[in-house]
Amino acid sequence: GAVVSQHPSRVICKSGTSVKIECRSLDFQATTMFWYRQFPKQSLMLMATSNEGSKATYEQGVEKDKFLINHASLTLSTLTVTSAHPEDSSFYICSALGQDNQPQHFGDGTRLSIL
Amino acid sequence: AQRVTQPEKLLSVFKGAPVELKCNYSYSGSPELFWYVQYSRQRLQLLLRHISRESIKGFTADLNKGETSFHLKKPFAQEEDSAMYYCALGGSARQLTFGSGTQLTVLP
Repeated sequence: GAVVSQHPSRVICKSGTSVKIECRSLDFQATTMFWYRQFPKQSLMLMATSNEGSKATYEQGVEKDKFLINHASLTLSTLTVTSAHPEDSSFYICSALGQDNQPQHFGDGTRLSIL
Repeated sequence: AQRVTQPEKLLSVFKGAPVELKCNYSYSGSPELFWYVQYSRQRLQLLLRHISRESIKGFTADLNKGETSFHLKKPFAQEEDSAMYYCALGGSARQLTFGSGTQLTVLP
């Protein structure tokens, strides 16, 4: 089946640093990738939709300058949390969508902890 | 606006008992509904989608447009069914709106 790889799985860093998270579709071409954020014991909240070769579409309330998304190829999207602060600590999950009518396939998620 | 409601955060049943996880949605268009499951320490994976009308691992879900519901059912729960279950609604751009999830525990 379709596999989505997300890296790193966990990152701990100091406040003020920028953190890049990668999302790769390993065996299919993903025209669209989605980035979600999940707080403890809460549901997944869509942050942005990333389309290959175009600008990401951000959900209301998500700062585009804070969460930079790049989808430069059909198999890779990156989320960069810029100048991260403790309130950015969360579980970030990506998913990828192929060109057919298949459902989204999810990565394992990245646990981000900002000290 | 799209909204998905899962009223039960926690649900416990005994092995062999029937289980029903409730999901209601709000959507102005033609809905596409999914159930995703997340087993302990594993990624989110698709369990069911309403358009395929399949039964996966003994689970079924019927879309009821009149009641705007997509409840997940299984006649005889197994211990390995213990997991977090999310109901999700697909949007026009194929994005998903998730419910808050129901943690199912099947007791021996």
